[in-house]
Amino acid sequence: DAGVTQSPTHLIKTRGQQVTLRCSPKSGHDTVSWYQQALGQGPQFIFQYYEEEERQRGNFPDRFSGHQFPNYSSELNVNALLLGDSALYLCASSSLQGGIYEQYFGPGTRLTVT
Amino acid sequence: AQRVTQPEKLLSVFKGAPVELKCNYSYSGSPELFWYVQYSRQRLQLLLRHISRESIKGFTADLNKGETSFHLKKPFAQEEDSAMYYCALSARLNSGYSTLTFGKGTMLLVSP
Repeated sequence: DAGVTQSPTHLIKTRGQQVTLRCSPKSGHDTVSWYQQALGQGPQFIFQYYEEEERQRGNFPDRFSGHQFPNYSSELNVNALLLGDSALYLCASSSLQGGIYEQYFGPGTRLTVT
Repeated sequence: AQRVTQPEKLLSVFKGAPVELKCNYSYSGSPELFWYVQYSRQRLQLLLRHISRESIKGFTADLNKGETSFHLKKPFAQEEDSAMYYCALSARLNSGYSTLTFGKGTMLLVSP
């Protein structure tokens, strides 16, 4: 099991453009969460997907949207990119085991907006 | 709303010295606390959780509800402990699922 995988590793976009980031969860996991990690900050929760639906959302604008597919993989879309969207975007997968959710993180996608 | 505070951006110690990474939290419910670690060029990974009351790589952390703290401790630091450490709080909702709120992290540097 490769664990959580994310693509691409890094990318550069221009202000106003749109971007799609992808995540494949760890085998056996059904829940995917997305986090934004700005430079020098801890990860900040964007939203979480389960059974193809967004079930919890952090304090992010509607420009940030997502999707989960039947195979539990997920996409994060960001429209109308701003310079402030430059960050490391982390995907984490989890499932309920023994009453506990343990989140496993991917390596992240480094997004630079110029 | 929940909040996690890690007051130190950087903690620098010598090998063999004791280490304490501070974490304070704010949460109205019953929290679940975690420590995550990120070694150089590696992904974020779980180090330990308070409900397990376990010691991982010599690290321990005790939840102090009175002081709303969850400090990470190790009696004798090793060079391989050098990494970024994040304290995180899980808010368990009625449906059972949870999300994580992270602190800003503390960089631990252990010198020989």
